[in-house]
This record gives sequence, structure tokens and C-alpha cells, in this order.
Amino acid sequence: EAGVAQSPRYKIIEKRQSVAFWCNPISGHATLYWYQQILGQGPKLLIQFQNNGVVDDSQLPKDRFSAERLKGVDSTLKIQPAKLEDSAVYLCASSAGRDRAEKLFFGSGTQLSVL
Amino acid sequence: LAKTTQPISMDSYEGQEVNITCSHNNIATNDYITWYQQFPSQGPRFIIQGYKTKVTNEVASLFIPADRKSSTLSLPRVSLSDTAVYYCLVGDPGIPANFGNEKLTFGTGTRLTIIP
Repeated sequence: EAGVAQSPRYKIIEKRQSVAFWCNPISGHATLYWYQQILGQGPKLLIQFQNNGVVDDSQLPKDRFSAERLKGVDSTLKIQPAKLEDSAVYLCASSAGRDRAEKLFFGSGTQLSVL
Repeated sequence: LAKTTQPISMDSYEGQEVNITCSHNNIATNDYITWYQQFPSQGPRFIIQGYKTKVTNEVASLFIPADRKSSTLSLPRVSLSDTAVYYCLVGDPGIPANFGNEKLTFGTGTRLTIIP
């Protein structure tokens, strides 16, 4: 079974630039999550999709972050403009269901450095 | 969601059994306990999940006492490759992850270092 695919693996940008991350979840998984993981901390949920609809984006900084999941499969997370504090690993995860005990499958993440 | 508390770090020697305990004093009746493992430069990986007593798979065992206010992840005969961060999560399979104001969020986890 193919896992969650993410790209790029690494990205270095200057502050105020834009960046986009891509995620392809496990086939058939209806729920997709984007997490932000700052060095030394656990992953923090940014946004959760159920198929192509957003079910939770309460922790997404909407003035600069946006995400979409067209056709309910792949997803893109964008940051525009980036700030220094956005330096982190951005993890995509997927699951078959959406409950609080669901088994999450994570990609390897995109490590973003904002200079 | 029940709040969880884990030791920040642990060290162990190769070949030993390692037990990582997670406290969840406010666990609800229907909550399940799930453990994830995260290696450097990778996303977390599901290890094991349980509700009560003992669960064992090819990777680990999970011990849950009768009051369910804590749980212990047991890794038998660890090797250097078990060096990772281990996260404990508690959640109700009957409730959507986005329900209410509490998020399905990972804490800081336990950083396990295996010493040769």
C-alpha cells in the first residue's frame, strides 16, 4: 500500500515570499489533515478536510495560510507571505474516517526554512 | 479530550525493555488510547491502540490498568533504531475529531534515546 506522499521535501525561502506544499493521501482515505510541527514540539493541527470540504480550520492563520483539496484527493497548503515563525515541518496525514481515535497515516513532511 | 502527561525524555541501553507511561486522569468512558512513534525527519507512525487491559502487536505492548487513568507502552529489547519520540493520544472513536473546542493534538511526547 502506497503511503502519504508529500513534496517538496525541503524548501528555503526568504520572508515575505510565497510557498506551496503538495500532499497526496492514501487512496480511498476521505480525511486529510495538515499539521505544523515546530522544532521540539508535537504536531499542531492546522486544517482538516473531509473529502473536499473543510471541517476544521480554526487553527489555520487565515491571513497568510490557505489550503484546498480539489476533487477530494490531493491537497495544497500555501503560505503567502511567509514569516520567520513559519519555519517548521509541515506534515500531511490521512485517515479512512474522521473520529478522535482514528489511525492517522503521515507523510514525511516538508521542512520549511524562512530566512 | 483528556489531557495527557508523559515524561519529556528517557534513556535506555540496547537490549533492555523500555516502559513509557502516559497519565490521562480525565479519560472518558469511551476513549481509546493511541501511541505514535516519530523518527527524525519523518512523520509520526501509528504503533498501537487499546481500550483496556493489554494489547500486543509485533512492535509493542500496551498495558492499561483497570482505572484507565494511565497507560504504559512497553518496547521489548530495544535497539538503536528505537530512538524516537513517542506520543500518547486519547480520543473517543464515536466523536468526530473536530467536535467541540478540543483538537486532536499531539503533546510534546517522550524523547527516547537508546544508548549502545
